Amino acid sequence: NAGVMQNPRHLVRRRGQEARLRCSPMKGHSHVYWYRQLPEEGLKFMVYLQKENIIDESGMPKERFSAEFPKEGPSILRIQQVVRGDSAAYFCASSPLTSGSSYEQYFGPGTRLTVT
Amino acid sequence: SQQGEEDPQALSIQEGENATMNCSYKTSINNLQWYRQNSGRGLVHLILIRSNEREKHSGRLRVTLDTSKKSSSLLITASRAADTASYFCATDTGRRALTFGSGTRLQVQP
Repeated sequence: NAGVMQNPRHLVRRRGQEARLRCSPMKGHSHVYWYRQLPEEGLKFMVYLQKENIIDESGMPKERFSAEFPKEGPSILRIQQVVRGDSAAYFCASSPLTSGSSYEQYFGPGTRLTVT
Repeated sequence: SQQGEEDPQALSIQEGENATMNCSYKTSINNLQWYRQNSGRGLVHLILIRSNEREKHSGRLRVTLDTSKKSSSLLITASRAADTASYFCATDTGRRALTFGSGTRLQVQP
């Protein structure tokens, strides 16, 4: 049973380029979350998606950042016109569909974005 | 301070000793979770404790939750060098988005 998969593991972009980060949730999981981690800090929530729906994007910067989770294929976090401040580790997590209020989130290995 | 704040920020102990980390938070929660992160790696889920639970055990891990004080503790007994990592608490207020603290960096000396 494969875990959450993220690719690429490392991504280098020049300022002004676009970054696309991919996340495949665990099999059977229909909820995906994206978090960002700056060096020596904890993770900060960005966005929560279900298939074809953005449920909560309260942590997403208003500009340049977008996320999607299509019916088929992985979830994509897209950063347009990257700046040096976007350099961070981006983690994806998934959880199963559940009617309960408590659940575990399973994290991928992360994508480390470096903007030069 | 932010929701889910760990204390201490860093902890260094000898192998075989116990390690205790604390987490404080500000708002009501559905549950609180502890995660471990090895340097440069992803997060590993350790334990989830619901708001109506007071204590939970998993192997060498013991987690307590005091909702009246809005605090939780993680105890690792008989620590090993392999326990060296950063430990984060994360709170779920019902929005499903987790709020993480800045972590406790644990160093276990062999």
